Order: sequence, then structure tokens, then C-alpha cells
Amino acid sequence: NAGVMQNPRHLVRRRGQEARLRCSPMKGHSHVYWYRQLPEEGLKFMVYLQKENIIDESGMPKERFSAEFPKEGPSILRIQQVVRGDSAAYFCASSPGGGMPTGETQYFGPGTRLLVL
Amino acid sequence: AQSVAQPEDQVNVAEGNPLTVKCTYSVSGNPYLFWYVQYPNRGLQFLLKYITGDNLVKGSYGFEAEFNKSQTSFHLKKPSALVSDSALYFCAVRDPTKRGGSQGNLIFGKGTKLSVKP
Repeated sequence: NAGVMQNPRHLVRRRGQEARLRCSPMKGHSHVYWYRQLPEEGLKFMVYLQKENIIDESGMPKERFSAEFPKEGPSILRIQQVVRGDSAAYFCASSPGGGMPTGETQYFGPGTRLLVL
Repeated sequence: AQSVAQPEDQVNVAEGNPLTVKCTYSVSGNPYLFWYVQYPNRGLQFLLKYITGDNLVKGSYGFEAEFNKSQTSFHLKKPSALVSDSALYFCAVRDPTKRGGSQGNLIFGKGTKLSVKP
């Protein structure tokens, strides 16, 4: 059973470009979470999605950032008009769903390391 | 507000010695607590969690953690450290009394770098 897949693993963008990060959850998982890790810091929650629904986006910056988890295909984290401060590692996690998410274990992907020049 | 503190940026132990990585938390209800490990340039790997029941939780790779409600702590322990345990360790918490979407997300500590020397 493949784990959480993320691509690309590394992404370089120039200021003002768009970054698209993809996440395929573990097979059978219907909940997806995105976190951001800045250098020398822990992970910060960004957004929690279920299929076709954004459940909690309280950690997402109000501008330039968006996320989706369509009925078919991977979850996408999109950053428009990137700035240097967006440089970070972005991790996706998934959990089975189907019940209360509080006790569920989240399984993490390998991350996408975004560098903005 | 919910929070997690890992008071030590780095822990150094000799191989074969016991190790402890500290974690304290602050939530309004009874917490759900998690430990993850991160190797360089990798994602986080789940080690163990406390939801309810026995305060001593056993996890992967010989690690265990003890939930102490009075001290609001969830320290990670291993009786005999290995060089291969050297990595970054994260404690995380969820507050199950949260309702709506915020019940899903994890609050992470800043991480503790564990270095095990031969």
C-alpha cells in the first residue's frame, strides 16, 4: 500500500510565478491536510480538506494561497505570485476519515521543498 | 489557546543509554497527543499516540511515551538509544473538544533534535 505521495519533491520558482503542489493521499483515505514548515521551525497547519470540500482553512494566508481536493485526482495547493517568504517545505498528510478526525493518525508525505528566487 | 512546548532544542545521548525527549501541552480539554520523527529531507513518520486509556503508550522502533495529566506532559522515551535514532522529533496535540473543522488539525511543537553518539 503506497503511502502519501507528493510531487514535485523540489520546486524552484521566481518571484511572481505560480507554484502548484500535488498530494495523493494513501489509498482509502478521504481526508487531506496541508502543513508548512519554515526552516528551524515546526509544522504549521494550513488547510484541511475532504473530497470536494474545504473543512478548515484557518491556517491559510488570505491572499495568493488556495487548495482543492477534487472528486478525482490529487489535492492541489496553489500559490500565486510567489514571494521569497513562501520558501518552505510543504507537507501533505492524509487520514482515513469516516469518523471523528480527532483520534485519527495523520500519515505524512515526503514534502515539497519550494524555493523562491 | 492550544499549544505544545518542546523545551529542548537538542538532546545528546550516548548509544545504549536511555533517552527522553520532553513535551508539554496546553489545551482546554483532554488532549489527543502524538509523536512523529523526521529524518533529514524526509516527511514525518508516526511513532505513537495517546487517545485514552493506559497512560503509558508503546510505539514504533522501541519508543514509548507517558501521558501525565497533572504535569500536562507527554515525554518520549526509549530505554536504549541507537545511533540510527538521531533525527528531529515532533510532539503534536489535538483538542477533541474543538468543533467543526478545527478538530482535525494538529498543533506541533518546534521539534527537538536528537543526537545519539556511538
